[in-house]
Amino acid sequence: DIVMTQSPDSLGVSLGARATINCKSSQTILDSSNNRNYLAWYQQKPGQPPRLLIYWASTRQSGVPDRFSASGSGTDFTLTISSLQAEDVAVYYCQQYYSRPFTFGPGTKVDMK
Amino acid sequence: EVQLVESGGGLVKPGGSLRLSCVVSGFTFSNAWMSWVRQAPGRGLEWVGRIKAKTDGGTTDYAAPVKGRFTISRDDSKNTLFLQMNSLRIEDTAIYYCTAGGTWELLWGQGTLVAVSS
Repeated sequence: DIVMTQSPDSLGVSLGARATINCKSSQTILDSSNNRNYLAWYQQKPGQPPRLLIYWASTRQSGVPDRFSASGSGTDFTLTISSLQAEDVAVYYCQQYYSRPFTFGPGTKVDMK
Repeated sequence: EVQLVESGGGLVKPGGSLRLSCVVSGFTFSNAWMSWVRQAPGRGLEWVGRIKAKTDGGTTDYAAPVKGRFTISRDDSKNTLFLQMNSLRIEDTAIYYCTAGGTWELLWGQGTLVAVSS
């Protein structure tokens, strides 16, 4: 199974500041045949189901604010919130869908400092 | 409006069974690949399994911890996804989410809580 790790475990960020979350896979999730990275990012607020933010490692889902961006390839990926808003306080998960079983990272909790 | 509404959760003893349902509206269910994802209390997300659309073979895949005990099925005539859970264990206690996507999970229900306890 592909193991997903995230860092940091938690992050305190001031309003309007940048937040950066890292995600690493135990093996490549880049398909060289189509040059696509099989990685998604989700946001989960307390008491709510997760919400899809990003797929194909960097494609923002419709309706997601453009302060959310993501990058990376192969085994190392990053989610960036360029200017943290109060409504961005949540736990963020990465997920690989390159090979089954699809696996999630353990999550990164983003709080307001 | 897109909706995924799970039901069927509850308290069950170890070794027992439950059948979860997820009724879908607002999109063409028969074309959708559907999954179940669970979340133990205070923990992260765990992929349970997936079923493809019948037009793509309708095949299922499962995570190792549930393989042989859980079965995912669908009734396209009723826009309903099912999760049959047998031989339940304490470690199966979680909120179970029905999702649409089958790779990245685009749509999520609110979840139904399954508690396995003696």
